[in-house]
This record gives sequence, structure tokens and C-alpha cells, in this order.
Amino acid sequence: QSALTQPASVSGSPGQSITISCTGTSSDVGSYNLVSWYQQHPGKAPKLMIYEGSKRPSGVSNRFSGSKSGNTASLTISGLQAEDEADYYCCSYAGSSTFDLYVFGTGTKVTVL
Amino acid sequence: QVQLQESGPGLVKPSQTLSLTCTVSGGSISSGSYYWSWIRQPAGKGLEWIGRIYTSGSTNYNPSLKSRVTISVDTSKNQFSLKLSSVTAADTAVYYCAREPTYSSGWYDYWGQGTLVTVSS
Repeated sequence: QSALTQPASVSGSPGQSITISCTGTSSDVGSYNLVSWYQQHPGKAPKLMIYEGSKRPSGVSNRFSGSKSGNTASLTISGLQAEDEADYYCCSYAGSSTFDLYVFGTGTKVTVL
Repeated sequence: QVQLQESGPGLVKPSQTLSLTCTVSGGSISSGSYYWSWIRQPAGKGLEWIGRIYTSGSTNYNPSLKSRVTISVDTSKNQFSLKLSSVTAADTAVYYCAREPTYSSGWYDYWGQGTLVTVSS
């Protein structure tokens, strides 16, 4: 099972909106509404930002939103702020009736210009 | 507030077994509402799901690691553990333990701070 494909880097100016894509296959992203997104600052543990494709955990800013179309999930950050500069990873269920498996994306570095 | 904390040797020799423990505080590992998972991240690379355990002892492992991985739980100590056998340099990574709700799987709401394990002679 291969990692989900994300762009290596995305950048934007403060206040702008950016979107990070996460492309999988019909065996993972396309088959399940179980995509989650994580923010990771250098040297820190990942932080859950979106689950079940579009739901935000308590405490996560509503500037973060998630969506899915076909085999591609997306994370949009609106009103970009300096603190949003970090690495972002998507994750999807990729199992079957015979085994469970979760796969992560290749990761995207977000730079605030 | 739930907290997870990894512990174990930071250096393991090639061909030996890597052993880590995750201690859960602020909540019971026996609650039945969560899976307890291990995820790793080589330096400068992405995340890889290793596997998970339920309070009953039921486990699921990444097929690519299944032959070398054992995850166990000790409810009396509120801990769960990871053993990875026959390690090589490719197993050098930061290892995280994390909590995954059972009612909607596939997302991790609490993570440990991570512990770096280096495989080297």
C-alpha cells in the first residue's frame, strides 16, 4: 500500500486561503469517509485538525476545513496566519475485509510568506 | 486531560528487538472506547501506521510489519507496549503512541510527545 500523495509544499501570504490536496485511490480515500488531517510543527507531535473528512475537533479554528471529491481529499486553510506554518499530513483507512491498515500522506510543508 | 508518554531505550543494535511502552494518564486504558496505536516517523519523512490494540487484547498490524510486530496491553498499569524484532537501520525513527476512538476509527486525538529510537551498532 503506497502513501497518499500530497504536494511537497504550498505557500501563501497572511490572510490568503490555501488548499492542500491528498490523492489516494478507490481502495482508500475514495472508498471511505475516514480521512483525517494533522498539523505538525518541527519537533512536535502531530495535532488532529480534521476527522471524518470534514469535522473539526473542539478547539481547532474554523479557518480549517476539509472536503473530498472522488479519490482526492483536501484541506483548506483560510485567513492564513503565521502560526499555520507547519507540515500537514492526511490519513485514510486503506484496509479490507481481511486486514486493517491506515496510510498517511507524503506530507506538505506550508509556508507563510 | 488525557496524556500519553512513550518510554524505552533510545538506542537498539541491529537484529535486536525494539521495546517501547506508552503510559496513559488522565483516563483509563480499559474504558473500551478507544484503540491504542503506534505510529512512527523517520527523520525528515512521513508517518507510518504500525498497529493498534484494543483493551481486550485484540490487535491489528500493518501488513508490511506484521511478521515483526507485537503490541500488548497492561491494564493494571494503564500501559500498552510495542515490540519490533529483527530491527535494521530502516527502523530508526521517532515512535509515537496515540489514541484512536473506536466509534469512528481512523483518527488520533491524543498523541505522545514521541521518542527517538536509533538502530545502530
